[in-house]
Amino acid sequence: QQPVQSPQAVILREGEDAVINCSSSKALYSVHWYRQKHGEAPVFLMILLKGGEQKGHDKISASFNEKKQQSSLYLTASQLSYSGTYFCGTEDNYGQNFVFGPGTRLSVLP
Amino acid sequence: DAGVIQSPRHEVTEMGQEVTLRCKPISGHDYLFWYRQTMMRGLELLIYFNNNVPIDDSGMPEDRFSAKMPNASFSTLKIQPSEPRDSAVYFCASSYGRAANTEAFFGQGTRLTVV
Repeated sequence: QQPVQSPQAVILREGEDAVINCSSSKALYSVHWYRQKHGEAPVFLMILLKGGEQKGHDKISASFNEKKQQSSLYLTASQLSYSGTYFCGTEDNYGQNFVFGPGTRLSVLP
Repeated sequence: DAGVIQSPRHEVTEMGQEVTLRCKPISGHDYLFWYRQTMMRGLELLIYFNNNVPIDDSGMPEDRFSAKMPNASFSTLKIQPSEPRDSAVYFCASSYGRAANTEAFFGQGTRLTVV
């Protein structure tokens, strides 16, 4: 079953922060985050495993709350290069059934 | 490594024709995935292989779709006969290990247009 992402789209000014949420109706084993720029392939950002992880690099970080069956991606002090569609992908509690969410379109304006 | 290589990058074909998409995964990767991306349905997993063996093809939409992986360095996705609703971008991805704790590397995709 496909996870739900919110918001569907967000527009920011350079330097502003954003949060993208990913939630599932099923228990999750892992959550993956990818970014896809227009006309390009999805590119891996990070994976979080159950256990309540938090990860980050540069100004992009994420958390995974397995009890709430949700993950959030945090983009701090957004840059123009952050524009794109962000997808979360989830695996259920048995390490199976990997499925991508519908995506969140992020636009960063100068 | 040059990454995951897909060919062709663009394909335009007439309804009813056979279409074959090709993928060369990253050397050493033991998992290969085929995805389809459309505006309406997003990124859908069609099928994936482990060590050249198809593991889960439940995402393949119809019998018109078939995929093979004759060896570790090559896979094909075939649509026969093609229909306009098959128009989409098809991505191939590979990884070392199953998705649970590994990243998948995507090819640049094949944009298929069926007229």
